[in-house]
Amino acid sequence: KNQVEQSPQSLIILEGKNCTLQCNYTVSPFSNLRWYKQDTGRGPVSLTIMTFSENTKSNGRYTATLDADTKQSSLHITASQLSDSASYICVVSPGGGNKLTFGTGTQLKVEL
Amino acid sequence: NAGVTQTPKFQVLKTGQSMTLQCAQDMNHNSMYWYRQDPGMGLRLIYYSASEGTTDKGEVPNGYNVSRLNKREFSLRLESAAPSQTSVYFCASTPTANTGELFFGEGSRLTVL
Repeated sequence: KNQVEQSPQSLIILEGKNCTLQCNYTVSPFSNLRWYKQDTGRGPVSLTIMTFSENTKSNGRYTATLDADTKQSSLHITASQLSDSASYICVVSPGGGNKLTFGTGTQLKVEL
Repeated sequence: NAGVTQTPKFQVLKTGQSMTLQCAQDMNHNSMYWYRQDPGMGLRLIYYSASEGTTDKGEVPNGYNVSRLNKREFSLRLESAAPSQTSVYFCASTPTANTGELFFGEGSRLTVL
């Protein structure tokens, strides 16, 4: 069964600190992996996409990594801001028009 | 730039009542989806429409029906609401089925008493 597991479930950090969120998947075949950010009361918004051949991709203070051999991805947030407080969801696509598999998300809270 | 628009944003129903959630997108996307999001669970696919004129069941279709009215609009109907359908519902769209970035609406919070 295709699964996506995210850790930690929740995380509290101080403003200005860095953090790393993890995503492990067992989806096969693999086409791509996306990280979404979901602010409270809003719909998820895509942050970045990782394809099989990509190891690292940055979007501002967000850097995603992918290890397709171990089936792991991480999302690193640098110099966190209060606006980074949100749920971060990992979504894996098997490609070929097949259905996506969603993780349950990591709830991040950035405090002063 | 409206993107994906859902209505209503909030709704309270009594058990057994019916209602329809409306969704419209203005990005000329072919594929549209309805998800539900519950605490501690990932987004779960209820129904999707890969293209105008087609609909397919997702992971949790029981108790729901959908209509792809045209390329822009995709509605979700609860014929006889149950407390287990209390959830936040999200409509989303993509250019083609299950590929590319999902564009989500703002969500519809439904409570069934």
